[in-house]
Amino acid sequence: KNQVEQSPQSLIILEGKNCTLQCNYTVSPFSNLRWYKQDTGRGPVSLTIMTFSENTKSNGRYTATLDADTKQSSLHITASQLSDSASYICVVIRLGGGATNKLIFGTGTLLAVQP
Amino acid sequence: ETGVTQSPTHLIKTRGQQVTLRCSSQSGHNTVSWYQQALGQGPQFIFQYYREEENGRGNFPPRFSGLQFPNYSSELNVNALELDDSALYLCASSLSGGASQATQYFGPGTRLLVL
Repeated sequence: KNQVEQSPQSLIILEGKNCTLQCNYTVSPFSNLRWYKQDTGRGPVSLTIMTFSENTKSNGRYTATLDADTKQSSLHITASQLSDSASYICVVIRLGGGATNKLIFGTGTLLAVQP
Repeated sequence: ETGVTQSPTHLIKTRGQQVTLRCSSQSGHNTVSWYQQALGQGPQFIFQYYREEENGRGNFPPRFSGLQFPNYSSELNVNALELDDSALYLCASSLSGGASQATQYFGPGTRLLVL
């Protein structure tokens, strides 16, 4: 079964601290993996896109890693800011086929950054 | 901002009513996907339209229907509303329906509350 699991479910950190969010997947065949940031009541915004051959990709203070062998990804946030408070969703895209079941969404990690 | 717009932003309906949600895709994008996101959950794929034709459908009943217009904007119609239809409805546009590498750009969503 194609699934994406994220941990932790929620996280509270102090402003300026670093944190790492985890994503494990059982999606096959694999095309690419994306991390999205979703502010409350808003649509998700893409942070990173990683293909099978990429191990790490950065976007400012966000760094994503991918281990295609163990089917694990992480999103590391450096020097957190209050504006980082949001839900972070891991999405795995299946290769080929039609539109149905193309994007497999995790349930997200809710991050709260406190002053 | 992704260039994808949705209207209305919020909507309150009662059980049994019908609702139409609208989405304008990003300029140049020919594919629109609709998602339902319940509170605290990841988005669930409803269906996708590619060049005015339905290009895949998730596990949603027939009372969820859609349209795509020649300018690639789209509508989501839900008949006989049920309480469980209360959710954030997301529209995402992309270029090339079903393509694994196509990045989907999400709109801000429409928050529907069914009483």
